[in-house]
Formats: sequence, structure tokens, C-alpha cells
Amino acid sequence: QQQVKQSPQSLIVQKGGISIINCAYENTAFDYFPWYQQFPGKGPALLIAIRPDVSEKKEGRFTISFNKSAKQFSLHIMDSQPGDSATYFCAPSVQGAQKLVFGQGTRLTINP
Amino acid sequence: EAQVTQNPRYLITVTGKKLTVTCSQNMNHEYMSWYRQDPGLGLRQIYYSMNVEVTDKGDVPEGYKVSRKEKRNFPLILESPSPNQTSLYFCASKPTTSHNEQFFGPGTRLTVL
Repeated sequence: QQQVKQSPQSLIVQKGGISIINCAYENTAFDYFPWYQQFPGKGPALLIAIRPDVSEKKEGRFTISFNKSAKQFSLHIMDSQPGDSATYFCAPSVQGAQKLVFGQGTRLTINP
Repeated sequence: EAQVTQNPRYLITVTGKKLTVTCSQNMNHEYMSWYRQDPGLGLRQIYYSMNVEVTDKGDVPEGYKVSRKEKRNFPLILESPSPNQTSLYFCASKPTTSHNEQFFGPGTRLTVL
């Protein structure tokens, strides 16, 4: 079974700080590395994703860093805002995969 | 508006009383899937469907059934619900099997007493 381990389970950051969430995986065939964001009462929605041919991707305040040799990727949220408070999931996969796996989730709270 | 809809959004039922949670998408997506979300366990896949009349088990299929008679609909059936099926359920879809981004519904919170 594909193993995906996400950490930490919960994270509290002060407004303006940097939030960092990590995702470790075992399957070296994974070629798509997304992060989903879920607000209370809503379904998850794709936030940002990266392919293994690049080591970093930045979209606004959100950055994915990818370390192929360590088999892990992380989400960095710069200048964290209270509106970023949500649960975040990683969901690495192989393109064309039918069975999909998610990390355990990280509940992020940004204190004003 | 492109979306995945689920009904009902909230449901409280009793052990053994059959129920169906509906899921519908208006994006003409081929792939649809059901997940349950439990604290500390993340999202776990129950069943998925690659197209009409094609369904298969995910990681936690016990106690659930699905059908895919039409492309847009993918109902989740609990023939005899038990308290351990109390959870938050999400339906998701994506354009094709090869496409990676999933689009999620708003969720159904199920309580089995």
C-alpha cells in the first residue's frame, strides 16, 4: 500500500509568519505532487501542485519545495494570514492512477 | 456553474437503516470517487469509477456499494449502516483517469446511531 505521511498534524502560526507543512512518500513512481486546501464546511480544493522536473514552484505566497532524493515535498506559506487557516492535504500520485491516496491532513491556525 | 453536488449535506440515521448519498457533477468528467474523512486519518478512498458501468474498490470499501449508470451520477449506498461509518463523506470527480486534479463536492456529514 502506498504510504504517505504528512506532518505536523496541527500547526499554529502568528500572522505574518511562515507556515511549513511536510509530506513524505514511499512510491518513487509518483509524478504529481499537489497540496489541497480545505476550509471548514467545504470540500478540499487544489491549491498548488508540482511535477518532479522542477524543485520549487511559487504562486503568490504559496511555495512547493520538492526533494526527490529525500522523497518528500513541502508547502511553505509566506506572510501567513488568518484567512489561510484551513486544513491542508498532500496527495501525491502517478499520472493515470486510479486509486488515490491523501496525507493525514494538517490543521493550520493563523493567530491574528 | 461547474460543480459537484452532494445530497443530503447532513444525515442522522440508525444502525441498519439503508441509505443513499447522491453525487452529481455537471462537468462531463469521466472519473468519480468517494472518500471518507476522519480526524487523524485524512481522506481515504472508498470506491472510484473510471467511467459508466466501471467501478472498483478503494482502500476502505467494506460496508459500501456504488453504481455508475450515468456519467454525471455516482451514488454511495450503505445497505446496513453501522456506527463506525459515522464520518464526513466527499464525492470528487476529474476529467479523465489521466488528469490529476480532483474537484470535490461540499461533503455529507453522516451520523449513525
